[in-house]
Amino acid sequence: GAGVSQSPSNKVTEKGKDVELRCDPISGHTALYWYRQSLGQGLEFLIYFQGNSAPDKSGLPSDRFSAERTGGSVSTLTIQRTQQEDSAVYLCASSLGGDRPETQYFGPGTRLLVL
Amino acid sequence: AQKVTQAQTEISVVEKEDVTLDCVYETRDTTYYLFWYKQPPSGELVFLIRRNSFDEQNEISGRYSWNFQKSTSSFNFTITASQVVDSAVYFCALGGGYQKVTFGTGTKLQVIP
Repeated sequence: GAGVSQSPSNKVTEKGKDVELRCDPISGHTALYWYRQSLGQGLEFLIYFQGNSAPDKSGLPSDRFSAERTGGSVSTLTIQRTQQEDSAVYLCASSLGGDRPETQYFGPGTRLLVL
Repeated sequence: AQKVTQAQTEISVVEKEDVTLDCVYETRDTTYYLFWYKQPPSGELVFLIRRNSFDEQNEISGRYSWNFQKSTSSFNFTITASQVVDSAVYFCALGGGYQKVTFGTGTKLQVIP
């Protein structure tokens, strides 16, 4: 399977707990993105990694949200002290990267429900 | 700043009708890229097309066609002879001189049998 994979596919948590969402990009893709999609809404950009450059964190909604990308491959999005408004689908995408916008390929998403 | 406007929130058509999804963009970049993605009810976004700003040729792929008009900053998407399987949310997106891409809010298309 050469696509973007995400885990878990579904996550139910209690308010106040921390959650970690994982993304495995397509092999060879240097750019990785996280988006959030609330029910019936569009894509909200969260964070973008490009190679070894500092990530673009401009979309993170609060300091409860953070993300890492280890070894230029797998990425983890962490939400601390989850709130009910964090309930959404979290989408990861990867692309070839470089100096121009390449096609992003999306994973199936993680559906997060905060009770 | 970049902006993508998909003014049509929801469209319903009867199967076999043609339908056009509008996309209007704003950018100050002279080189930019436009994309369309499909998000079926299953949820996973599927890439449809990528077009750079220097290529204004219209493109046809089966029942899908795209009309790129730089003069009106539009990149509209037409589905000919729509089918129920075309029911989805369609997103238009714009990328400038770097990797970050701006997505429109999406148009939900319902094809009624």
